[in-house]
Amino acid sequence: KNEVEQSPQNLTAQEGEFITINCSYSVGISALHWLQQHPGGGIVSLFMLSSGKKKHGRLIATINIQEKHSSLHITASHPRDSAVYICAVRVANAGGTSYGKLTFGQGTILTVHP
Amino acid sequence: EPEVTQTPSHQVTQMGQEVILRCVPISNHLYFYWYRQILGQKVEFLVSFYNNEISEKSEIFDDQFSVERPDGSNFTLKIRSTKLEDSAMYFCASRVAGGYYNEQFFGPGTRLTVL
Repeated sequence: KNEVEQSPQNLTAQEGEFITINCSYSVGISALHWLQQHPGGGIVSLFMLSSGKKKHGRLIATINIQEKHSSLHITASHPRDSAVYICAVRVANAGGTSYGKLTFGQGTILTVHP
Repeated sequence: EPEVTQTPSHQVTQMGQEVILRCVPISNHLYFYWYRQILGQKVEFLVSFYNNEISEKSEIFDDQFSVERPDGSNFTLKIRSTKLEDSAMYFCASRVAGGYYNEQFFGPGTRLTVL
């Protein structure tokens, strides 16, 4: 079983729609990242969360540590939001030193049509 | 804004050849990472590096792989004898020291194609 699961795997939306991508994880974590990967392959960090909620422009990320679940929301989606969105977690290292390696989900392919 | 850079952007090599992938992390960062992504698959951790030594490595990071910080700015990944299955996108990342809550910054990646 994968430690990080994302849903849906593919998501198609019309411009202006509200979008939600979900991430569930099965391990204790110290932080969760939402990343964006464009067709050229480069990875851009959108958010890093350890609790609560963060907002940046039209993007909102939330995390529920007790339920081991995070969501990424995009309000008023636009074709330029089309990309792969990746959830990655930093596994908590109880009693030891965490060097910060990330464990990744398989990504959600988002396509926003005009 | 400071960024992680990687060279080359695309490397084509013959099976059995050695390759060196180069990364320049952000200047005040002290933790360095290599990840790889085989086409169509998820990103996987390879190795982390801190204080001039490997701090953690995955099962993928076998004796064919090595990392080095030869000077104060570069961080390299060497594959001694490339295999077809090493074809992938390789990402370097870095972060500042201290605490659990420091974000990793990724480079643009090097696409390695082994023929």
